[in-house]
Formats: sequence, C-alpha cells, structure tokens
Amino acid sequence: EPEVTQTPSHQVTQMGQEVILRCVPISNHLYFYWYRQILGQKVEFLVSFYNNEISEKSEIFDDQFSVERPDGSNFTLKIRSTKLEDSAMYFCASSPTEPVLASSTDTQYFGPGTRLTVL
Amino acid sequence: AQTVTQSQPEMSVQEAETVTLSCTYDTSESDYYLFWYKQPPSRQMILVIRQEAYKQQNATENRFSVNFQKAAKSFSLKISDSQLGDAAMYFCAYRTLTSGNTPLVFGKGTRLSVIA
Repeated sequence: EPEVTQTPSHQVTQMGQEVILRCVPISNHLYFYWYRQILGQKVEFLVSFYNNEISEKSEIFDDQFSVERPDGSNFTLKIRSTKLEDSAMYFCASSPTEPVLASSTDTQYFGPGTRLTVL
Repeated sequence: AQTVTQSQPEMSVQEAETVTLSCTYDTSESDYYLFWYKQPPSRQMILVIRQEAYKQQNATENRFSVNFQKAAKSFSLKISDSQLGDAAMYFCAYRTLTSGNTPLVFGKGTRLSVIA
C-alpha cells in the first residue's frame, strides 16, 4: 500500500541553523500539508500546498518557514533559523483531493514524522 | 474558528473490554468531517475512522465505531474487544467541507492504556 515517507526520522541542529525536512507524498496525491506536534501537545497545522502554491497557512508559519515542491516527488519544509521552540515532531500529509462531499478521496494520509531537536 | 475538545487526558481498559473516548467540537458550519486518528508509540498518525456530518448513520470500522450526535456536537469513539495493540494516543479531528485545501483541527488527545 502506498504511503507517505519522511526523511530524516530524527534531526538534531543548533539554534540558528537552517534545516530542511523532506517528504515524499503518495504519488497520485495533489494536496500536501505540514503539521507539527510539540512533545505532549496536540498536533497543529502549519501549511497546506496545492498546484505549487501555499493554499493556507497558520499563525505558526511565519517568515522563518517555507515550503517547496522542487520536483515531481518531494515536498520540503525549510526552517531558516531554528529556535529552541521549533523542537517538535513534524508530520507531512497528503490527500488526493480537497474536501469532497460523499467521498473519502480527501482523506489525509500522514507520514511517520521527523523529530526535530534544536539545541 | 473551530475547536475540538477531548476532556479525557488518559483512559485505561482491560483487554477484551469496551472503552469509549469522548470528543466535542465547536463549529457554526453544517457540513464537515470528523476523524479519529491513532498515534502509537512510533508516533505515526494512523486514520482510525471518519464521519461525514451529513450522514445520520454512525461510522464503523471493525471493532471501532463512533457515536455522532450532531446537535450536541459530540463525536465519541467506541473500541470493542480492546487489544494490547490499541494502546496509543487517540486524537479527534475536525475538517471543514468548504472548498480548498483545508487543514485538520485536532484535539489534545486521549492516551489509552490497555491492561492485560
């Protein structure tokens, strides 16, 4: 069964450094998302992406964050200058479609996550 | 803005017994989706079950079923014949049905322990 993959599984970085988290969505999916989960807290939406554009972003997704689909398969999240509070689990998700009534084709499938630790 | 509330931070159940996890949400919309996701210790998010708000019938997936009360804005998850592998964090989530690439809104989660 196709699945979303994410690399690396764990990233350790120094405060102020740039990190790029990588995701390979399911191949026929068109809608992509990043979420994060600070340890012990709920999963929070960061950004959604469709047709090479950001569709929606949360307050968390400030100028330090950017997303890109550099080729036909990868979907990346870049944090330009990491802060201690960026330490979290970052989840990528993808879906075939946007919300569609009476269909399950918009279900978001999550990757296994990347644990980011900022020291 | 929509909010999702899970009032039980932790629950436990004996193996083979039934447990119900609570979820309430707040929205002014009439069409939306509700989901339960499971997060085992590996921390991967796994879809357990989904419910479309326009459907009167409660969704079921094998041992998992929901009690969807639209007027009360309640969406509880029932796990029957609990197994050790059901031990995980369970997140309730909401998604609007407007057009566009709308995100999921999650509750804070309920940690379920299964006792052998």
